[in-house]
Amino acid sequence: DGGITQSPKYLFRKEGQNVTLSCEQNLNHDAMYWYRQDPGQGLRLIYYSQIVNDFQKGDIAEGYSVSREKKESFPLTVTSAQKNPTAFYLCASNGLAGGQDTQYFGPGTRLTVL
Amino acid sequence: KQEVTQIPAALSVPEGENLVLNCSFTDSAIYNLQWFRQDPGKGLTSLLLIQSSQREQTSGRLNASLDKSSGRSTLYIAASQPGDSATYLCATSGTYKYIFGTGTRLKVLA
Repeated sequence: DGGITQSPKYLFRKEGQNVTLSCEQNLNHDAMYWYRQDPGQGLRLIYYSQIVNDFQKGDIAEGYSVSREKKESFPLTVTSAQKNPTAFYLCASNGLAGGQDTQYFGPGTRLTVL
Repeated sequence: KQEVTQIPAALSVPEGENLVLNCSFTDSAIYNLQWFRQDPGKGLTSLLLIQSSQREQTSGRLNASLDKSSGRSTLYIAASQPGDSATYLCATSGTYKYIFGTGTRLKVLA
């Protein structure tokens, strides 16, 4: 089955550590996205990539970094510079469904800072 | 800058009731508007997508409408069921970017 996988489902980070969240898709989509979701708030865009080896900052990119070396993979690193990283992180990709451009989401990773 | 608002933030209804969820946006220059469902601790599932040239889309008990001129979209759920309990988010799409509302948390009481 085609889809988006994210790992791990739960991640705990100590102060000062960098952690990397995995996102893999087998939908053959060019565009991929990372969002952050906090309680009571909508999704906020961290980074997005329209094509391999290219990515752009979203609205809240500070303290995060990404890479896009393969079409299937778009990992997100939460660095120690991100002061409030505890949140739910969602990866998405864009593709056609019934001729319409649609966003598909992974199951999410919940990051908690200890 | 596009802003997307969803009111109410939470809604409880008895089973069987028809209901309407609202979504408003400030910039009418959108490619499409999409409605999603999110269960607790899960990712988002696409429900309906309305292209900017369309007025509405239907899927089963769901009907979504779009009025670009007034910056509004509604999601109509007919004959609600306890299984419909979830958070519903709308999102507008522009050039390569989606802007999400904060969602309406729906609880359907058996």
